[in-house]
Amino acid sequence: GAVVSQHPSRVICKSGTSVKIECRSLDFQATTMFWYRQFPKQSLMLMATSNEGSKATYEQGVEKDKFLINHASLTLSTLTVTSAHPEDSSFYICSASLAGVASGGGETQYFGPGTRLLVL
Amino acid sequence: RKEVEQDPGPFNVPEGATVAFNCTYSNSASQSFFWYRQDCRKEPKLLMSVYSSGNEDGRFTAQLNRASQYISLLIRDSKLSDSATYLCVVTVDSNYQLIWGAGTKLIIKP
Repeated sequence: GAVVSQHPSRVICKSGTSVKIECRSLDFQATTMFWYRQFPKQSLMLMATSNEGSKATYEQGVEKDKFLINHASLTLSTLTVTSAHPEDSSFYICSASLAGVASGGGETQYFGPGTRLLVL
Repeated sequence: RKEVEQDPGPFNVPEGATVAFNCTYSNSASQSFFWYRQDCRKEPKLLMSVYSSGNEDGRFTAQLNRASQYISLLIRDSKLSDSATYLCVVTVDSNYQLIWGAGTKLIIKP
């Protein structure tokens, strides 16, 4: 169990368009989801923490109006990159947090496979 | 069967000891392998890539066994600061999608 999926896996778009990335927890409910971006050969950089039913918390330096996050249900969070530019090209990864008995009493993050965005 | 499996632990290890854990992967076409370290409530940080010939970085040694489809991480002379969750990550296709293990929790005790 505890599988997280992302869609699409890969997207190529023109500069100025908006791109929506979905993150789903397939077999568990996640009250918290996280969005990361990763540049080649670097570690993940946390962009924002998303709680179901409330506004996302953005990390310093991440524009909330450019990276719109919606966490509409306990199994789905979306990241929309608005008016994408070539410098937004990156690998976007989400994770979903499972807490409580199901995770052995602690909190475990399960990571999605990532979405590769290329803005031309 | 999960694509990437790790023993969740926790591994409780005394300071100074050597600890090793493995990660098995199911897809024989897996191309790249990594170990990430994640501290509580922080983002995972790349610890090291795992090369076919094995590689060492200070107290950390990573090895890949393609025949048995597992990678390992060995930590020597463990420090209190090594306490973290260690995530095994595998890539399969040219899209570089990451397949994550659920992590192994390591607790170094004084």
